[in-house]
Amino acid sequence: QKEVEQDPGPLSVPEGAIVSLNCTYSNSAFQYFMWYRQYSRKGPELLMYTYSSGNKEDGRFTAQVDKSSKYISLFIRDSQPSDSATYLCAMAGYNFNKFYFGSGTKLNVKP
Amino acid sequence: DTGVSQNPRHKITKRGQNVTFRCDPISEHNRLYWYRQTLGQGPEFLTYFQNEAQLEKSRLLSDRFSAERPKGSFSTLEIQRTEQGDSAMYLCASSLGLLNNEQFFGPGTRLTVL
Repeated sequence: QKEVEQDPGPLSVPEGAIVSLNCTYSNSAFQYFMWYRQYSRKGPELLMYTYSSGNKEDGRFTAQVDKSSKYISLFIRDSQPSDSATYLCAMAGYNFNKFYFGSGTKLNVKP
Repeated sequence: DTGVSQNPRHKITKRGQNVTFRCDPISEHNRLYWYRQTLGQGPEFLTYFQNEAQLEKSRLLSDRFSAERPKGSFSTLEIQRTEQGDSAMYLCASSLGLLNNEQFFGPGTRLTVL
């Protein structure tokens, strides 16, 4: 079993839709949870960074962490064609010596 | 541009050859990570440096792979006796450390082994 599971998609939505992206994990030692966006042939860029359970909002993006269920989510409101990319979840323990990434979900927002 | 640079951006080599990649992190970033990413997959952790010390190494990293970070600045990743299965994007990331562990990724080096 992989440490982090993520539905690869692809996910296709119309412009303006609310997008929900999810990951599950098995290691209860994970303390920090991140979402990255990756455009084709580029390195990942950090979108959201949360510690432990709860919600965090930044503009159109909301990250949720439910440690009891080992489940994290990223919501994108009012999705735009420029949001079309691969979204990666990532997790780390308290010492950040190692990061575990999901396989990524490819999102396509249609104009 | 995140400030993390990687060279070369592309490398084509024949099976059995040795290759070396370089990563220049953001200056003053103490932490440096190497990842490998294949098509349709997320980055897979390879190794981690805190300054010049290599503190974590993936069990997936065979003895053909070696990484260094002399003087805690730039880092190199060497692959000896390359195999076709080594074809991938090799990503480097750095972070400040201490209370700020946001990783900044470089553009990657795409390796093709023929």
